[in-house]
Amino acid sequence: AQTVTQSQPEMSVQEAETVTLSCTYDTSENNYYLFWYKQPPSRQMILVIRQEAYKQQNATENRFSVNFQKAAKSFSLKISDSQLGDTAMYFCAFMKQGAQKLVFGQGTRLTINP
Amino acid sequence: NAGVTQTPKFRVLKTGQSMTLLCAQDMNHEYMYWYRQDPGMGLRLIHYSVGEGTTAKGEVPDGYNVSRLKKQNFLLGLESAAPSQTSVYFCASRSGGAKNIQYFGAGTRLSVL
Repeated sequence: AQTVTQSQPEMSVQEAETVTLSCTYDTSENNYYLFWYKQPPSRQMILVIRQEAYKQQNATENRFSVNFQKAAKSFSLKISDSQLGDTAMYFCAFMKQGAQKLVFGQGTRLTINP
Repeated sequence: NAGVTQTPKFRVLKTGQSMTLLCAQDMNHEYMYWYRQDPGMGLRLIHYSVGEGTTAKGEVPDGYNVSRLKKQNFLLGLESAAPSQTSVYFCASRSGGAKNIQYFGAGTRLSVL
């Protein structure tokens, strides 16, 4: 079974700083998808970024980028120029190709301080 | 653009009571999902549906039933609520395309006393 581990329960940085959230996963699959979801205090789960395992190029979405290391089974999220609105729980998630289930990590609570 | 809508947003039940959570999506998605979120944990899949009239068990299905009579709706039922079912419940949907992106509702906070 696949597992996803987020080793940082909480992080805190100052506004405008860069922060990196860690995620590792365990799978024997070769084809899969990785996601970062953001859950602000409103509770809504919002997709931040998505990576396909067969793509070597790291995904980027504006201030958000990932460092995908397939051999190391690592998928970290970098937030540049952090903003107060980035304060949220961040979940790393895995889904193997053809499957229905998203496997989530435990989450990292990120606080951006003014 | 409503996306995925869950009703109700909050509910308090007594042990043994029953209730139904409604999920509606307006994106014409084939796939729909029910997850639960407990403190200190990520979301866990309860049941899912790959199309109208179909349902399947997820990771933690015990104590729950689901129905997908219409493509846009996915209902989650608790026949006899237990305190262990106190949780936040999320519905999600996705299209059948290659992107495999699940879109989530805002959640329902359920307390069982």
